[in-house]
Amino acid sequence: KNQVEQSPQSLIILEGKNCTLQCNYTVSPFSNLRWYKQDTGRGPVSLTIMTFSENTKSNGRYTATLDADTKQSSLHITASQLSDSASYICVVSVGDSSYKLIFGSGTRLLVRP
Amino acid sequence: KAGVTQTPRYLIKTRGQQVTLSCSPISGHRSVSWYQQTPGQGLQFLFEYFSETQRNKGNFPGRFSGRQFSNSRSEMNVSTLELGDSALYLCASSPGPQRADTQYFGPGTRLTVL
Repeated sequence: KNQVEQSPQSLIILEGKNCTLQCNYTVSPFSNLRWYKQDTGRGPVSLTIMTFSENTKSNGRYTATLDADTKQSSLHITASQLSDSASYICVVSVGDSSYKLIFGSGTRLLVRP
Repeated sequence: KAGVTQTPRYLIKTRGQQVTLSCSPISGHRSVSWYQQTPGQGLQFLFEYFSETQRNKGNFPGRFSGRQFSNSRSEMNVSTLELGDSALYLCASSPGPQRADTQYFGPGTRLTVL
């Protein structure tokens, strides 16, 4: 069964600290993996999208990694800011004719001053 | 470019009624996807339209339907509303099929069913 699992469910860190969010997937065949940031009450915003051949992709203070062998991805946030407080959603695209996107349940991050 | 717009932003309906939500994609985008988001279930895929054709459909009952017009604008309809349909409905557009391209989400329509 195609699944995407994220951990932790929630996380509290102090402003300025780094953190890493995890995403494990069992999607097959694999097409690409995306990370989204969703502020409360707003639509998700794309952070990165990685295909099978990409190991790392950065977007400012956000760096996503992908290990296609172990089917794991991580999102690393450097020097966190209060505005990083949001839900982070991992999404995997199925690489067949179904065109499906499989969503993780998200990690809720709270950055405290 | 203007972003994805959704109307209305908020909606209150009663059980048994029907509702139509509208989504205008980013200019030039041909794919529009719809999602339902609830606190308990997270984001769930409803359907995707590409060049006026439904390309993919999630596991939702037939009460949920949609369409896309020649200008890529899309509408989603929910008939015979149930309390469990209360949710944030998100629309996302992309230049090509959602599988391959980055999606850009609208602000959503918050539907409350009483």
